[in-house]
Amino acid sequence: QKEVEQDPGPLSVPEGAIVSLNCTYSNSAFQYFMWYRQYSRKGPELLMYTYSSGNKEDGRFTAQVDKSSKYISLFIRDSQPSDSATYLCAMSAMYNQGGKLIFGQGTELSVKP
Amino acid sequence: ETGVTQTPRHLVMGMTNKKSLKCEQHLGHNAMYWYKQSAKKPLELMFVYNFKEQTENNSVPSRFSPECPNSSHLFLHLHTLQPEDSALYLCASSQVVGNRGYEQYFGPGTRLTVT
Repeated sequence: QKEVEQDPGPLSVPEGAIVSLNCTYSNSAFQYFMWYRQYSRKGPELLMYTYSSGNKEDGRFTAQVDKSSKYISLFIRDSQPSDSATYLCAMSAMYNQGGKLIFGQGTELSVKP
Repeated sequence: ETGVTQTPRHLVMGMTNKKSLKCEQHLGHNAMYWYKQSAKKPLELMFVYNFKEQTENNSVPSRFSPECPNSSHLFLHLHTLQPEDSALYLCASSQVVGNRGYEQYFGPGTRLTVT
């Protein structure tokens, strides 16, 4: 079983839709959760960072962590064509030396005008 | 220059060549990382350097040789590569305090093709 599972998609939605992206994980020691956005031919860009359970909102983006279910989500409201990218979840445990991250496979999102 | 820069952006090399990838971070961070990104696979961590010391080698073949001369620069020396080593190689940096340092910032990557 992979430590982090993420549906690779592709996911296609119309402009203005609410997008839900998800990851599940198996390691209960994970406490730090991140979402990265990667445009084609570019490096991943840090979008959201959360610690432990709860919600965090930044503009049109909301990150949710449910540690009891080992499930994290990223919601994008009023999606735009410029949101078309691959979204990677990443997570880490307190004990990991040097902040080692475990990444999901990435979900490819396409927002159609 | 800002953030994390990588050169070259594209590299085509034969299996008998020797080449090097360069990464520089302008963020004042103390940790640097090499990742390999292949199509349809999660990012694979290759090497971690904290304060110029290698703290992780994720079972990477010896044909990949990292070098970290200071906390701002990281190199990946390549020799006698295989076609399956073709991938996007990403460099990242973070500020590690104790065991924390999870917000990693990535460079644009080097697209490597081995012929």
